[in-house]
Amino acid sequence: DAKTTQPNSMESNEEEPVHLPCNHSTISGTDYIHWYRQLPSQGPEYVIHGLTSNVNNRMASLAIAEDRKSSTLILHRATLRDAAVYYCILRDVSGGSNYKLTFGKGTLLTVNP
Amino acid sequence: DAGVTQSPTHLIKTRGQHVTLRCSPISGHKSVSWYQQVLGQGPQFIFQYYEKEERGRGNFPDRFSARQFPNYSSELNVNALLLGDSALYLCASSWTGDNNEKLFFGSGTQLSVL
Repeated sequence: DAKTTQPNSMESNEEEPVHLPCNHSTISGTDYIHWYRQLPSQGPEYVIHGLTSNVNNRMASLAIAEDRKSSTLILHRATLRDAAVYYCILRDVSGGSNYKLTFGKGTLLTVNP
Repeated sequence: DAGVTQSPTHLIKTRGQHVTLRCSPISGHKSVSWYQQVLGQGPQFIFQYYEKEERGRGNFPDRFSARQFPNYSSELNVNALLLGDSALYLCASSWTGDNNEKLFFGSGTQLSVL
C-alpha cells in the first residue's frame, strides 16, 4: 500500500481555519485520497475523499496538488469539537485489497478556545 | 437511525482466556470489518466479511477468527489471549465494503488482558 506522511500534531485556535497536510509521494493513478478523523473515545469517522479535483462537503474541503503527491484537509472554522486525530489514507480502487483502510498514526489536532 | 453498535464496551480478561466481541452493522449494510487499535497507533485491519464470506484478512495470527451471521451481524473471536492483545477493537460497516464506500465505525470494545 502507498504510504502517507503527516505531522504528528498541530494546534489551532477556535474559529480559525486549519490546514492539515499530507504527503503521498508514491501515490498511484488509481489511489483515492481519503480522510478520516477520530474523536476521543470514539471510532474513526469519514471526513472526505477525492481523486484529482478539489472536493468540498459540509465538514471540510480537500485540496489536492496538481501532481497528486500531496493534499491538504481544510477545516474552514475550527471548533472545539474538531479536536481529534486526523488520518490521511490512500485507497487503491484497482487492487484486490480496496476493501480495507490502512491507517498511519495521523495528526493530533488541538483546538484552543 | 442506529449506528454501528458493539458489545461489550469494556472487557477485562486474563492471559490464556478466550474472548468474543460482537458487532451489529447499520441496517442495510452487508459488509463488516474489524480493526485493532493499540494505544497511540492507528487502527489495523483484521478482517472483512461480506455476505457471510471472508473477503480479506490482515496480518494477524490464527488465534483471531470471525464470522458473519445471516442478519449481517458479526463476531470476532480471540483465543489464548496474550497481554499484547490489549487494545480497542473497532467494527466498521458499509454497503459492500469496496468501491470507495465510506466506512462507518462503532465506538469499539476496549479489551484489557491481565
